Amino acid sequence: GAVVSQHPSRVICKSGTSVKIECRSLDFQATTMFWYRQFPKKSLMLMATSNEGSKATYEQGVEKDKFLINHASLTLSTLTVTSAHPEDSSFYICSASQGISGGYTFGSGTRLTVV
Amino acid sequence: AQRVTQPEKLLSVFKGAPVELKCNYSYSGSPELFWYVQYSRQRLQLLLRHISRESIKGFTADLNKGETSFHLKKPFAQEEDSAMYYCALRHAGGTSYGKLTFGQGTILTVHP
Repeated sequence: GAVVSQHPSRVICKSGTSVKIECRSLDFQATTMFWYRQFPKKSLMLMATSNEGSKATYEQGVEKDKFLINHASLTLSTLTVTSAHPEDSSFYICSASQGISGGYTFGSGTRLTVV
Repeated sequence: AQRVTQPEKLLSVFKGAPVELKCNYSYSGSPELFWYVQYSRQRLQLLLRHISRESIKGFTADLNKGETSFHLKKPFAQEEDSAMYYCALRHAGGTSYGKLTFGQGTILTVHP
């Protein structure tokens, strides 16, 4: 079945630094990738939608300059948290879709802790 | 605006008992509904979607447009069903086409 690999699974960084999270579709081409943020025992909040080769579409309230998304190929999307602050600490999850009417495959998530 | 509501944050049942996880939605168009499950320390995985009308791991869910509900049911819960369950709605059109809106999630605990 479709597999999405997300790395790193866990990262601790200092306040003010940037962190890059990678999301790769291993055995299919992901035309669309979604990035979510999940708070402890709470729902997934969609941050942005990215289509290969075009700019990401950010949800209301999500700072596009802080959460940089790149979807340069059909198998790779990256989320860079720039100038991270402790309030950015969270669980970030990516999801890939082969087409809008198809299914979604989720990554295993990245636990970001900003100290 | 579109919304998915799972009224129960926590649900506990004993093994062998029936279980129903509630999901209600608010959507102006024709929705596509999903149930996702997240076992401890694992990624989200699809449990079922309403258009396929299939039963997975003994779970079923029927879309009731009159009541705008998509409750998840299983007649006899098993301990391995303990997990976080999310109801989700896929937007069928407009600028949000293809996006998923998730409910708040329900943590199901099945006691032995």
